[in-house]
Amino acid sequence: KQEVTQIPAALSVPEGENLVLNCSFTDSAIYNLQWFRQDPGKGLTSLLLIQSSQREQTSGRLNASLDKSSGRSTLYIAASQPGDSATYLCAVQMDSNYQLIWGAGTKLIIKP
Amino acid sequence: EAGVAQSPRYKIIEKRQSVAFWCNPISGHATLYWYQQILGQGPKLLIQFQNNGVVDDSQLPKDRFSAERLKGVDSTLKIQPAKLEDSAVYLCASSLETGGTYEQYFGPGTRLTVT
Repeated sequence: KQEVTQIPAALSVPEGENLVLNCSFTDSAIYNLQWFRQDPGKGLTSLLLIQSSQREQTSGRLNASLDKSSGRSTLYIAASQPGDSATYLCAVQMDSNYQLIWGAGTKLIIKP
Repeated sequence: EAGVAQSPRYKIIEKRQSVAFWCNPISGHATLYWYQQILGQGPKLLIQFQNNGVVDDSQLPKDRFSAERLKGVDSTLKIQPAKLEDSAVYLCASSLETGGTYEQYFGPGTRLTVT
């Protein structure tokens, strides 16, 4: 059974710092992995989607990497801003069905 | 392009009462999902529709939860009777296959509090 873990559960850093969020999964036979952002009172917004054949994806100040063999993905945020404060969730999609399996998220606070 | 719409945004009910949530997906999206997200956890899939047919409802507590998607567009999720542990945010998402990948778009959610 696939399990997705995100550590730490919460992270607070000063504005301007670069930071890395971690996601690990137990079954490496994934179809893809996605990173989402969730703001309080709002739904989830897809940030980056990495196909199983890819190693990384970039969007602006965000870079997500995928290492299937070790069951890990990282989300790198460069030059953090207070507006980056949110909960970041990763989710994997397995090969045989389209259900997303989610981590519990990392709550990120960027201090001005 | 309009996003996924959900209503109501908030609902407070007493245990054993009934409640219904509504979702309007992005136009043209064939697949619709209902998730339950308990505070501090990731979303849990309750039910997945492909057009108006059910693809996966294995985690739907069928003794109290029901969902329908008439005409393959809007969907309603109902809880009857509600329990305290049903307090959560209920998220609706829709997807359209893009390059072989089903990228999901989420609505703002309905926050349910059961007292």
